[in-house]
Amino acid sequence: AQTVTQSQPEMSVQEAETVTLSCTYDTSESDYYLFWYKQPPSRQMILVIRQEAYKQQNATENRFSVNFQKAAKSFSLKISDSQLGDAAMYFCAYRSAAGGGADGLTFGKGTHLIIQP
Amino acid sequence: NAGVMQNPRHLVRRRGQEARLRCSPMKGHSHVYWYRQLPEEGLKFMVYLQKENIIDESGMPKERFSAEFPKEGPSILRIQQVVRGDSAAYFCASSPLETQYFGPGTRLLVL
Repeated sequence: AQTVTQSQPEMSVQEAETVTLSCTYDTSESDYYLFWYKQPPSRQMILVIRQEAYKQQNATENRFSVNFQKAAKSFSLKISDSQLGDAAMYFCAYRSAAGGGADGLTFGKGTHLIIQP
Repeated sequence: NAGVMQNPRHLVRRRGQEARLRCSPMKGHSHVYWYRQLPEEGLKFMVYLQKENIIDESGMPKERFSAEFPKEGPSILRIQQVVRGDSAAYFCASSPLETQYFGPGTRLLVL
């Protein structure tokens, strides 16, 4: 079974600074998807960014980018120019590509990101 | 395109009652997933359904929990004879295939 580990229960960053959230995973599969979701105080789960394992290029979405290291099974999220609205729980998630990529997600326990004004 | 809809947003039940949670997927999405989030925890996969079929229920408790996604209407997660330990946020997600989009969740409180 796959596992996802987020080793930072809480992180704090000054507004406008850059912060990196860590995620490692364990799998024996070679093809899979990785995701970062954000959960603000409203509790809504919002997709931040997605990475396909077969792509070597790191995904980027505006101020959000990932550092995907397949051999190390590492998938960190970098948030540049942090804004107050970025304050939330951030969850890393894994999904197998077997079966057409339609399996359920395996989530980490989350990292609580605090933005200091 | 409306997002994933869930209702009710909040549900209070007494021990022994039944809870019914509804999920309407995004238009065009044929895959529905249910997850449970306990306080201070990540989401845990419960069940994956397509229309009229349960594809994977490996995360569903063996007793008291059931799910369906009928040909017409929303997907339903049903919890019979609720206990205090069922208090949690229940999230539904839908997808066309790889990426799942989540609804706002239903917060269930069992008194």
